[in-house]
Amino acid sequence: AQSVTQLGSHVSVSEGALVLLRCNYSSSVPPYLFWYVQYPNQGLQLLLKYTSAATLVKGINGFEAEFKKSETSFHLTKPSAHMSDAAEYFCAVSDPGGGFKTIFGAGTRLFVKA
Amino acid sequence: DSGVTQTPKHLITATGQRVTLRCSPRSGDLSVYWYQQSLDQGLQFLIQYYNGEERAKGNILERFSAQQFPDLHSELNLSSLELGDSALYFCASSVGGSVGPQTQYFGPGTRLLVL
Repeated sequence: AQSVTQLGSHVSVSEGALVLLRCNYSSSVPPYLFWYVQYPNQGLQLLLKYTSAATLVKGINGFEAEFKKSETSFHLTKPSAHMSDAAEYFCAVSDPGGGFKTIFGAGTRLFVKA
Repeated sequence: DSGVTQTPKHLITATGQRVTLRCSPRSGDLSVYWYQQSLDQGLQFLIQYYNGEERAKGNILERFSAQQFPDLHSELNLSSLELGDSALYFCASSVGGSVGPQTQYFGPGTRLLVL
C-alpha cells in the first residue's frame, strides 16, 4: 500500500536561507508525486509534480523537488526563502498500482523569520 | 482562483443537526473529491465521484454521504453532527478519474463549526 511521510511537522528558516522540506514515500511501483501548498485560509494549490519524466522537477515560486528512487524520497527545496513562502506544504503520492488514488502526507508548516 | 467554488464559506450549527455543503468543479472536470481537514487529523480524504458515480472511498463516516449530480456539481451531506465534526471541508476537482495521475484543484473550503 502506498504511503507518504513528511519529516517534521514544523520547519523554521530565516529569510534568504535554504528551504528543505522532506518527503518519503512507499509504493509498490514507481509512483507519481506531488507537492501542494496551502496558504492561510485557502485551499491547496499545486506547486509541482513528478510524472516519471525528468527526476528534477521545477515548480512555481522558485521551488523544485528531486525524485530519488534509491532513497524513496521527493524532497522540496528552494534556494532562498521569502516571507511569502510561509505556508503549509503537503507531499502526495499517486500510485498506478492503486488506481491512481492520491494519498496526502500530514503536512509541514514552514515558518520564515525576518 | 482555482475555478472550484464551494458554498457556504462558513457554517455554524448545533450537535445533532444536518448540513449540506456544495461544490462546483472547474469547467470540464469530471471528478470531484471531498476532504476533511482538522488540527488533530490533518487532511483526510473522504470520497471521490467521477461523472456521477462513486469512484473511491476514504475515511468517510456512515453519518456522511455525498453525491454528484448530472451537471457535475457535488454535495456533501453531514448528519447527526458531533462536536468532532468541526473542521474545514475541501472539495477538489480533476479532469479524469483514475486513469493517470490527477492534479487536483482545490476550492477555498467550507469551515464548519458544531456547537
